[in-house]
Amino acid sequence: AAGVIQSPRHLIKEKRETATLKCYPIPRHDTVYWYQQGPGQDPQFLISFYEKMQSDKGSIPDRFSAQQFSDYHSELNMSSLELGDSALYFCASSRRTEQLTGEQYFGPGTRLTVT
Amino acid sequence: LAKTTQPISMDSYEGQEVNITCSHNNIATNDYITWYQQFPSQGPRFIIQGYKTKVTNEVASLFIPADRKSSTLSLPRVSLSDTAVYYCLVGFLSGGYQKVTFGIGTKLQVIP
Repeated sequence: AAGVIQSPRHLIKEKRETATLKCYPIPRHDTVYWYQQGPGQDPQFLISFYEKMQSDKGSIPDRFSAQQFSDYHSELNMSSLELGDSALYFCASSRRTEQLTGEQYFGPGTRLTVT
Repeated sequence: LAKTTQPISMDSYEGQEVNITCSHNNIATNDYITWYQQFPSQGPRFIIQGYKTKVTNEVASLFIPADRKSSTLSLPRVSLSDTAVYYCLVGFLSGGYQKVTFGIGTKLQVIP
């Protein structure tokens, strides 16, 4: 079965550089979520999109932005990178259902290292 | 936003049943309870979801008492491969959209 695809899987950037992470949700899924997980920490919700519109916002820094495109893939743009941005970034997708939480399917993650 | 509280860690021997309890005193009427499993450097994986009473699937059972202020994930006969972090999530509809927040999960260590 098709899963959530994230690219790249690993990314090394220097401080103050920019990075773009991509996420391709499972076909027919209409909602995309982005999470950040620092070393030894729990996943922190950043932002979500439903039908290409931002649906919710979590602890996403102002230096980050995201969007969902017409083909439902999403990109997380990160600028002025800081050492503290080093983390695993997960994308998840789901299909809006009658159930309020909706089962989320997570991708393998992008490991970002800022040096 | 309903806050969840779980034990930080648990140890269990192989073959035993493991029960992880999550407290969510502020759960709202429309909230569902969802459990995820996460292995190191992998994305969380959905285990089970419920609203009330008992839900069972091929990997786990979820027990939710009538007041819904807590829930218990039950893993039957755990194996070493069940060593992972388990998250209890309480989700709600915010402004018409889904919102789910991960709290501090329970690190389960299965011992041979």
